[in-house]
Amino acid sequence: AQTVTQSQPEMSVQEAETVTLSCTYDTSESDYYLFWYKQPPSRQMILVIRQEAYKQQNATENRFSVNFQKAAKSFSLKISDSQLGDAAMYFCALKEGGSEKLVFGKGTKLTVNP
Amino acid sequence: NAGVTQTPKFRILKIGQSMTLQCAQDMNHNYMYWYRQDPGMGLKLIYYSVGAGITDKGEVPNGYNVSRSTTEDFPLRLELAAPSQTSVYFCASSRSGDRETQYFGPGTRLLVL
Repeated sequence: AQTVTQSQPEMSVQEAETVTLSCTYDTSESDYYLFWYKQPPSRQMILVIRQEAYKQQNATENRFSVNFQKAAKSFSLKISDSQLGDAAMYFCALKEGGSEKLVFGKGTKLTVNP
Repeated sequence: NAGVTQTPKFRILKIGQSMTLQCAQDMNHNYMYWYRQDPGMGLKLIYYSVGAGITDKGEVPNGYNVSRSTTEDFPLRLELAAPSQTSVYFCASSRSGDRETQYFGPGTRLLVL
């Protein structure tokens, strides 16, 4: 069964600094995709970044990057130069290639301090 | 493009009442999904559709029904609402060439009392 675990219920970071959010997952499939979604107070789910399991290179989107450790089944999100607008719930999610289901972790609440 | 839209934004239901949550997308996406998010939790898949006329159950389908008569619309029906259905409901869609990337609507908050 697919599982996603986010072990940090809450994190905080100073504005302009860097923070890393942790995620571990479990799947028996070799074809899968990993995602980080951001959910601000508006509740809108916003895709931050995605990683295909077959790609060795870590995905990067501007200030957001991931550390994908396939053997360890770890998928952490690094936010550089944190901004006040980054404050939100962040969800890690897993999708197996043959499934339509996105499996989400419980989320990490990120606070950005000015 | 409006993307994925959902109505209503918020609704209070009495136990035993029924309602339909509306979802529409204008991106010509074949795949559409309904999720629920309980407090302090991630989203769980209720139902999904791979195209007009085709639907299938997700992880938590009990108490819900769906239909997909057009590509654009994917309504979620709650029959005999129960307090356990108090949640935030999200609709999402994705296109055939990139099923993995799902685009979400703003959510509908439902309170069953």
